[in-house]
Amino acid sequence: SQQGEEDPQALSIQEGENATMNCSYKTSINNLQWYRQNSGRGLVHLILIRSNEREKHSGRLRVTLDTSKKSSSLLITASRAADTASYFCATGLGNTPLVFGKGTRLSVIA
Amino acid sequence: DAGVTQSPTHLIKTRGQQVTLRCSPKSGHDTVSWYQQALGQGPQFIFQYYEEEERQRGNFPDRFSGHQFPNYSSELNVNALLLGDSALYLCASSPPQTGQQETQYFGPGTRLLVL
Repeated sequence: SQQGEEDPQALSIQEGENATMNCSYKTSINNLQWYRQNSGRGLVHLILIRSNEREKHSGRLRVTLDTSKKSSSLLITASRAADTASYFCATGLGNTPLVFGKGTRLSVIA
Repeated sequence: DAGVTQSPTHLIKTRGQQVTLRCSPKSGHDTVSWYQQALGQGPQFIFQYYEEEERQRGNFPDRFSGHQFPNYSSELNVNALLLGDSALYLCASSPPQTGQQETQYFGPGTRLLVL
């Protein structure tokens, strides 16, 4: 079963705009990760945020984590056509495997 | 430095057949995990191999089996294929002494179509 639930399922924006995707989960976690997948290819790791962190940045990416609400958000600033992809959150706990959500499909229109 | 590689890239089989998928982990990595990703879904964990043994297994039937070789490469075998086994099969590797919930490095996947 999948723990993470991304919202929205699909998002379409113009190039240069910001894109925000949300992830909600159900159980305790040690960390939450975001991955990107282009057109049914392999997943690329974007960022990992641990349960004791509230915000993390990497280039144009900003991730927040609210463990009290069991939710996370991924913000992509100044989006580009190359950001068009599916984005997945995955939760990690102890020695159990990562559990992925169903993803958000982002389309950035030039 | 080569990343995770998988072969073949695409495969078409018929119901009841058997298939073997292959994965070479990123250089320096010793742990390999396999995931199944159905269309429109997120990846689902099948199993993980470490030191040539299956360390953990997801909710998949015994038709799914695997192997890890001394050079850390791995195979995923699926017997008695069903239409529902059609999916993208992803291999991921991770470096030594990292937990299963740490960053995974994914290969490009093998697209399996069962007719």
